[in-house]
Amino acid sequence: AQSVAQPEDQVNVAEGNPLTVKCTYSVSGNPYLFWYVQYPNRGLQFLLKYITGDNLVKGSYGFEAEFNKSQTSFHLKKPSALVSDSALYFCAVSTDQTGANNLFFGTGTRLTVIP
Amino acid sequence: DTGVSQDPRHKITKRGQNVTFRCDPISEHNRLYWYRQTLGQGPEFLTYFQNEAQLEKSRLLSDRFSAERPKGSFSTLEIQRTEQGDSAMYLCASSPPISDRRDSPLHFGNGTRLTVT
Repeated sequence: AQSVAQPEDQVNVAEGNPLTVKCTYSVSGNPYLFWYVQYPNRGLQFLLKYITGDNLVKGSYGFEAEFNKSQTSFHLKKPSALVSDSALYFCAVSTDQTGANNLFFGTGTRLTVIP
Repeated sequence: DTGVSQDPRHKITKRGQNVTFRCDPISEHNRLYWYRQTLGQGPEFLTYFQNEAQLEKSRLLSDRFSAERPKGSFSTLEIQRTEQGDSAMYLCASSPPISDRRDSPLHFGNGTRLTVT
């Protein structure tokens, strides 16, 4: 069985400050981890993924995420937040390396960047 | 726009009615997925197709739900005898062949929001 926990429903951060959106996971076998972003009334957009290799993964729009196996975490980060980053962020885990099948999403974290 | 297209964007129906949604994937994508997203939740997998074959169905997909992809291109999702609990956003996603999945494994449409009154 696999699961994802996003412990914060809401994260507020001031524009220009660093942001972190937390995610922890549970999976049998190797974890394949993903972050997606959803803007209002839109579908999800892929940000980044961890399959193997470097624990620090860089993705779209200046976002990055750090895979921590011992803490079973995959927190999303950005050094300097923009107002346009305000959206709903979903962490997801899959047992499929391609990330197309068996994708299990967390409940989402709403990020608000305050001007 | 060559992204995943879903129609309609919104659907309001009365309980007991049937509804059908359509999804047009990115043309070269051979896999097509349906997800359901309720308020405050992440998307939940419903079913997926590889070309015209429906390869997997979630337990969430009750007998009232049926999906088709007759020619391996567009897909339809039908809900019969709708219930208020069916109110949700229905998301379609497509995925390219394995060799092309490096950059973005799933491409989502903007969804169809269903409201059952």
